[in-house]
Amino acid sequence: GQNIDQPTEMTATEGAIVQINCTYQTSGFNGLFWYQQHAGEAPTFLSYNVLDGLEEKGRFSSFLSRSKGYSYLLLKELQMKDSASYLCAVRVGLSNSGGYQKVTFGTGTKLQVIP
Amino acid sequence: ETGVTQSPTHLIKTRGQQVTLRCSSQSGHNTVSWYQQALGQGPQFIFQYYREEENGRGNFPPRFSGLQFPNYSSELNVNALELDDSALYLCASSAPDRGRVGTEAFFGQGTRLTVV
Repeated sequence: GQNIDQPTEMTATEGAIVQINCTYQTSGFNGLFWYQQHAGEAPTFLSYNVLDGLEEKGRFSSFLSRSKGYSYLLLKELQMKDSASYLCAVRVGLSNSGGYQKVTFGTGTKLQVIP
Repeated sequence: ETGVTQSPTHLIKTRGQQVTLRCSSQSGHNTVSWYQQALGQGPQFIFQYYREEENGRGNFPPRFSGLQFPNYSSELNVNALELDDSALYLCASSAPDRGRVGTEAFFGQGTRLTVV
């Protein structure tokens, strides 16, 4: 099976930078996702990594090291609206062309942004 | 807006009853996955449907079952409801045939099920 670990809660200041870490143990790795989930709402897609390295998208960046089973989500210039849970999710699957691909989520990191 | 819609948004059922939840996937997406999310937890994978067949399942008992229709919409059925089934049920659609890029899952807004 898959095992995904991420911190339960984090607090950061508006305007600052915060890094949310995620470690995983899995076989058949086929990509790692980060989702943002505001309370009472559905998760929304933030980023996707399948190769090692950094993917940057505006204020959000995500890093992956497959050999270490490690990823992080970096949020810059924090805004109050960034207060949410951030879910790390790992996909395993037999192939990229259809077929079974299971995505397993971590329990999420609840980020509180304070003034 | 992800283009994935779920119905109903909220539902209250009595222990022992049966429930059917519905999901319309985003246009062009042939894969639907269902998740159960308890309060304060991450989504737990229930099962996945690809081109109308179940092709993956998490650690959920057989009383959790589903269907996918030719238009790729889907249903989740839960029989003999238990109090612990109270949760947010999320449906996510994706298109894994596109290869590595563009295969992220898009979630519906969820159905909040309360079993009393």
